[in-house]
Amino acid sequence: GAGVSQSPRYKVAKRGQDVALRCDPISGHVSLFWYQQALGQGPEFLTYFQNEAQLDKSGLPSDRFFAERPEGSVSTLKIQRTQQEDSAVYLCASSLDGTGNQPQHFGDGTRLSIL
Amino acid sequence: LAKTTQPISMDSYEGQEVNITCSHNNIATNDYITWYQQFPSQGPRFIIQGYKTKVTNEVASLFIPADRKSSTLSLPRVSLSDTAVYYCLVGARNTGGFKTIFGAGTRLFVKA
Repeated sequence: GAGVSQSPRYKVAKRGQDVALRCDPISGHVSLFWYQQALGQGPEFLTYFQNEAQLDKSGLPSDRFFAERPEGSVSTLKIQRTQQEDSAVYLCASSLDGTGNQPQHFGDGTRLSIL
Repeated sequence: LAKTTQPISMDSYEGQEVNITCSHNNIATNDYITWYQQFPSQGPRFIIQGYKTKVTNEVASLFIPADRKSSTLSLPRVSLSDTAVYYCLVGARNTGGFKTIFGAGTRLFVKA
């Protein structure tokens, strides 16, 4: 596709369940970012990949959060033992190269609701 | 990491020019300044990016003074559809990675 695609668009889970969120970046984009966006707030950085290497995971809020990009394209954000405070929109973005100065192209996010 | 400060909200009327200023006092030498627009239930969308002086594209202009400690996004002749949140970002390149810091953004409300 032409843009960044995220799935599912909406996810409802019970507290304690594990969830997996998928991101299909723009083909050929080297950099991939995950963000968490709470209602009324700006996106908060979670983690950054350059190809398959996870170079920055300083924004992951706890060890329940895990991200991977094994072949340098599709990425998955996994949240284990979900808690209510994990409810948010999770955004994925990709950019062309690894310089950090190329614009990021965002998907429309996955809205996660933990009951 | 360079932090940005923007007005929380702004109101305007259709057809007016809107200028949103962002402060980034601790911008690093290699950092670019990037602006994004976000509508409800959508991801942020790239508007414009610059390093110094002035950049213009089909939707906006970006003015950056010589000291680069601030920048101003200029939207000419806004319409109702420009009602959105606007984010100013300064890239923060750290060792081996790239951490992006969004602020709370500026909520622009365009009235008829």
